[in-house]
Amino acid sequence: NFMLTQPHSVSESPGKTVTISCTRSSGSIASNYVQWYQQRPGSAPTTVIYEDNHRPSGVPDRFSGSIDTSSNSASLTISGLKTEDEADYYCQSYDRSWVFGGGTKLTVL
Amino acid sequence: EVQLVESGGGLIQPGGSLRLSCVASGFTFSNYAMSWVRQAPGKGLEWVSTISGSGDSTYYADSVKGRFTISRDNSKNTLYLQMNSLRAEDTAVYYCAKLRPVAGIDYWGQGTLVTVSS
Repeated sequence: NFMLTQPHSVSESPGKTVTISCTRSSGSIASNYVQWYQQRPGSAPTTVIYEDNHRPSGVPDRFSGSIDTSSNSASLTISGLKTEDEADYYCQSYDRSWVFGGGTKLTVL
Repeated sequence: EVQLVESGGGLIQPGGSLRLSCVASGFTFSNYAMSWVRQAPGKGLEWVSTISGSGDSTYYADSVKGRFTISRDNSKNTLYLQMNSLRAEDTAVYYCAKLRPVAGIDYWGQGTLVTVSS
């Protein structure tokens, strides 16, 4: 099966924009949908992006997802950063089984 | 409002067995596939198992295949995970998850902690 590689951590200031990458090791990133999950400290995960670029109801439009076949990666972009966005973010996709990325810790300072 | 409430976690010795339950409400349970996802202390998310809405199809991660069994009782709106031959590396918070029709997770439960230790 393939792996999804994320940066271990990113940090940015409130009000700025941050992008978290998720690179697929083999097979095309476009072959299977990518989801993104947010996990705040001490809480269960929640879904912020599904099927590459769709937001569940209740997720602000500051969150957006995309895929780039040239780099074989998916990206989660959060604009207008707020302190409440500080969390771990995980990408996830599927081939013969589910695969999660290792997670990225976002610090908003 | 969709709710997923897990139970059944606890401290268990290596080699022991445990059954987790997840009671679902707020949606037509039998219409949706369900999954278990776990998270070891301080680690990332790991998919464990998935079951179709009817219960006819099941899927497992290699790390638990042959030891864990996923099942559901649609009359009770309940998802189960029977865990046998437990190992220290199975120590984790286990989350129940409702799947979207096409891809990914729709809703997550709050999780139940399983600790495998002597």
